[in-house]
Amino acid sequence: NAGVTQTPKFRVLKTGQSMTLLCAQDMNHEYMYWYRQDPGMGLRLIHYSVGEGTTAKGEVPDGYNVSRLKKQNFLLGLESAAPSQTSVYFCASSPTHPTGGAGSPLHFGNGTRLTVT
Amino acid sequence: QKEVEQDPGPLSVPEGAIVSLNCTYSNSAFQYFMWYRQYSRKGPELLMYTYSSGNKEDGRFTAQVDKSSKYISLFIRDSQPSDSATYLCAMSAKTGTSYGKLTFGQGTILTVHP
Repeated sequence: NAGVTQTPKFRVLKTGQSMTLLCAQDMNHEYMYWYRQDPGMGLRLIHYSVGEGTTAKGEVPDGYNVSRLKKQNFLLGLESAAPSQTSVYFCASSPTHPTGGAGSPLHFGNGTRLTVT
Repeated sequence: QKEVEQDPGPLSVPEGAIVSLNCTYSNSAFQYFMWYRQYSRKGPELLMYTYSSGNKEDGRFTAQVDKSSKYISLFIRDSQPSDSATYLCAMSAKTGTSYGKLTFGQGTILTVHP
């Protein structure tokens, strides 16, 4: 039972380079999210999706783009990386909104550690 | 000012101690409250979920919400070395039929020494 899988686990980029982070979930969840985690800042929502073919901006969307062409995959793209994008990126999924019903937990991957030099 | 404030610690306690972790918030519309636990180099996992005010107990863990003070707590009884992790509070509001995004605290690093 893989859950949420993120690739790659680590990456070092030079300023201006581009890359795509891949998130795959095998739980048939409708909602998927991309967060970044920085010291002293907690988890901040970058973009999210409420279903296949949909995307929406979160709290800190600038410099990132996303796509959800298939229900199980959610891609995060950095078109021109900047040192300020050095962070740990987490993908998460949930079957419904995380506060729906009795509490629908976010299922997180183990993160991608990105350094931009 | 952040919407959710959480003391980052680090907090170091001996095995068997009672641990108290806290968050304060400024948005009075928050009514859904969660605690996530994050082990080193892993993603967070949901530990406790509470709706509105009151207490909820699950084994050694108790979550408390005081909406009048805009304050939530997580208590860990008989703490174990395996409880060593970062604990993140998270909360959300509901407006009409729309659920708001989760807002996370900064996380508190807890170490339980044998």
